[in-house]
Amino acid sequence: GIQVEQSPPDLILQEGANSTLRCNFSDSVNNLQWFHQNPWGQLINLFYIPSGTKQNGRLSATTVATERYSLLYISSSQTTDSGVYFCAGLLNTGNQFYFGTGTSLTVIP
Amino acid sequence: DAGVTQSPTHLIKTRGQQVTLRCSPKSGHDTVSWYQQALGQGPQFIFQYYEEEERQRGNFPDRFSGHQFPNYSSELNVNALLLGDSALYLCASSPDRALGLHFGNGTRLTVT
Repeated sequence: GIQVEQSPPDLILQEGANSTLRCNFSDSVNNLQWFHQNPWGQLINLFYIPSGTKQNGRLSATTVATERYSLLYISSSQTTDSGVYFCAGLLNTGNQFYFGTGTSLTVIP
Repeated sequence: DAGVTQSPTHLIKTRGQQVTLRCSPKSGHDTVSWYQQALGQGPQFIFQYYEEEERQRGNFPDRFSGHQFPNYSSELNVNALLLGDSALYLCASSPDRALGLHFGNGTRLTVT
C-alpha cells in the first residue's frame, strides 16, 4: 500500500479567511480526488485532479504528480465549509483508492 | 438522475449476528466499491465488484463478502459480527476502475 499524509490535521478558521490543505503521497498515484465529508457523514466529491489545477467557485486544487502532493485552497471560508476534507489516490496498478486521515475544518462565524 | 443509494441508513446488531447492506450505483456506473470508515479515520477499501466478480479485495477477513447483481447493484455481507465492525460503511460507484468515485450516504452499523 501507500501512505497518505494530510496536513494540518485540524484547522479552525474565522469566517471569510483563506486556507490551504495539503496531501502527500508516499508513492506515485493516479486519479487523485478531494472529498468533503459533512457532519452527517456524506462524502462529496470536490475535485478529480490527477494533475494540474482546477477551480470551482471558492475552491481550487493543484496536483503536482511528479512530486506526489496535492493542495486544496479554500477562499473566503463559510460555516458550511466545516467538515472533514479527504484526499485519495489510486496506484498505477490496482483498483483501491487510498485515503488520507483527513483535515478537520471548523469555520466559526 | 439518482446518485448512489444505500440502505439501510442505520443498523444496530448484536455481536455474532450477520448483516447485509445494499447499494445501488449511480446511473451509468458499472463498478461498485465498498469502504469501511471507523470513527476519526479515513475510509478503508474492502473490495470492488465489476461484471459481477470481485475484482480486488482489501485487507479484510473472509467474514466480509459481497455480491454484484446484473443491474450493477451490490450487497455487502458481514458474518459473525464483532464490536470492532462498528463503523460507517460506504458504497462508491464509478464508470470505470480508474475514474472518480461517487459515494452514497453510507450505512452506520453499530454492533453491541
